[in-house]
Amino acid sequence: AQSVTQLDSQVPVFEEAPVELRCNYSSSVSVYLFWYVQYPNQGLQLLLKYLSGSTLVKGINGFEAEFNKSQTSFHLRKPSVHISDTAEYFCAVTSNNNAGNMLTFGGGTRLMVKP
Amino acid sequence: EAGVTQFPSHSVIEKGQTVTLRCDPISGHDNLYWYRRVMGKEIKFLLHFVKESKQDESGMPNNRFLAERTGGTYSTLKVQPAELEDSGVYFCASSHSHRGYTFGSGTRLTVV
Repeated sequence: AQSVTQLDSQVPVFEEAPVELRCNYSSSVSVYLFWYVQYPNQGLQLLLKYLSGSTLVKGINGFEAEFNKSQTSFHLRKPSVHISDTAEYFCAVTSNNNAGNMLTFGGGTRLMVKP
Repeated sequence: EAGVTQFPSHSVIEKGQTVTLRCDPISGHDNLYWYRRVMGKEIKFLLHFVKESKQDESGMPNNRFLAERTGGTYSTLKVQPAELEDSGVYFCASSHSHRGYTFGSGTRLTVV
């Protein structure tokens, strides 16, 4: 069984400030990790994913995340946020033992960028 | 390529009525998933099809929910009869493998 914890339900931040959205996971097997974003009235869009290789993953819109196996974390960061980054962000995990496994999601973090 | 298409985008029904949600996956994607997010809670897995077969339906809440995937193409999720606690956003996703899940825009279901 797997679980994902997003420690902050809401993160308010001023425009052009850096931001970190925290994600910790629990799993008895090796995992693949994902961050999705949901803009208002839209579906889930993939920001980035970690499958293997370099632990620092770069995604769309200037976001990046670092996989830390010892701390079972996959925190999402952006050095300078824009108003347009206001959205809800979801961390998700799936086991890497075969294809087609379901995703387990965290509870989401609502990022609110203020001018 | 076309994305994952879900319809309707919104549905408001009365308690006791029946609603059918539809999902058209990306062409060629054998894996199709249904998820649900109830207000204020996390996105929860409902079930997983591989082609037309149910691979995992462990997340289906009860027997009021029935999912089908005709010929391994589109899928429907029927709720009959709907209850108030069924309200939420229902997401569909498809994938060729674990390397890429593509989600639809969701169907917002409100049961009144």
